[in-house]
Amino acid sequence: QKEVEQDPGPLSVPEGAIVSLNCTYSNSAFQYFMWYRQYSRKGPELLMYTYSSGNKEDGRFTAQVDKSSKYISLFIRDSQPSDSATYLCAMSAGGSYIPTFGRGTSLIVHP
Amino acid sequence: GAVVSQHPSWVICKSGTSVKIECRSLDFQATTMFWYRQFPKQSLMLMATSNEGSKATYEQGVEKDKFLINHASLTLSTLTVTSAHPEDSSFYICSARARGRPEAFFGQGTRLTVV
Repeated sequence: QKEVEQDPGPLSVPEGAIVSLNCTYSNSAFQYFMWYRQYSRKGPELLMYTYSSGNKEDGRFTAQVDKSSKYISLFIRDSQPSDSATYLCAMSAGGSYIPTFGRGTSLIVHP
Repeated sequence: GAVVSQHPSWVICKSGTSVKIECRSLDFQATTMFWYRQFPKQSLMLMATSNEGSKATYEQGVEKDKFLINHASLTLSTLTVTSAHPEDSSFYICSARARGRPEAFFGQGTRLTVV
C-alpha cells in the first residue's frame, strides 16, 4: 500500500459543477497537507495548505482534513474550464517536512 | 505565494554532454530545495533533498555521481546531469521551502531532451 493514495481519474465534469478531489493516507505522522495544481508541462502551483484537521477556504477552493479517517479533500465550487489540470495532494510530517505526493487526479471541466 | 524560478525551461543536448539546471528562490530564503523527475502522466519522483550548505540526500536508486546537486546559497540550487544519455530525457522540477515552513513552492520545470 502506498503512503498516499489518489485516484488518477480522469474526472470529467460540466462547467459550474462542484468538484470533489480526495486523497487517503496511511502515515499518522502527517500533519501538514497541501494541494497543488499542475498544468501540462508546467511546475505544480500551491493552491492550499492546511495544518492538522479542519477546513480552510480560499475563494472557490475549500480544503478539508480529517485526520481520524486519514482522508483529505479539495472542493472546487463553480468549476471553470480553466480549472482543467492535474491536482496533486501532498503531505508531510514535522521535522524534515519532506512532502509525500499522491499520483495526481486529472480534472477536465467541459463547457 | 513565493516565487521559484527555474531555467532553462527546456534544453536539448547531445548524448555524453552535461547539462546544468538552475533553481532560484526569488523572494524568500530557501533552506531546503527538492529536485524531482516527472514522466508523462506520472506523479513526481523525488530525486534528492538539499539543505543549504550541506550535501544533498539522494533517494534510493538515484545516482549521485550522475545527478550532481549543489545548494551553495539560500537562494540557489543547481542540478547537473552529467554524461547525459537519452534515457535521462525527462521533465525535471525543483521546489523550495523556507525554514520552519512545510509548504514548498515549485519552479516551472525543465524539459530535458538528450539526442
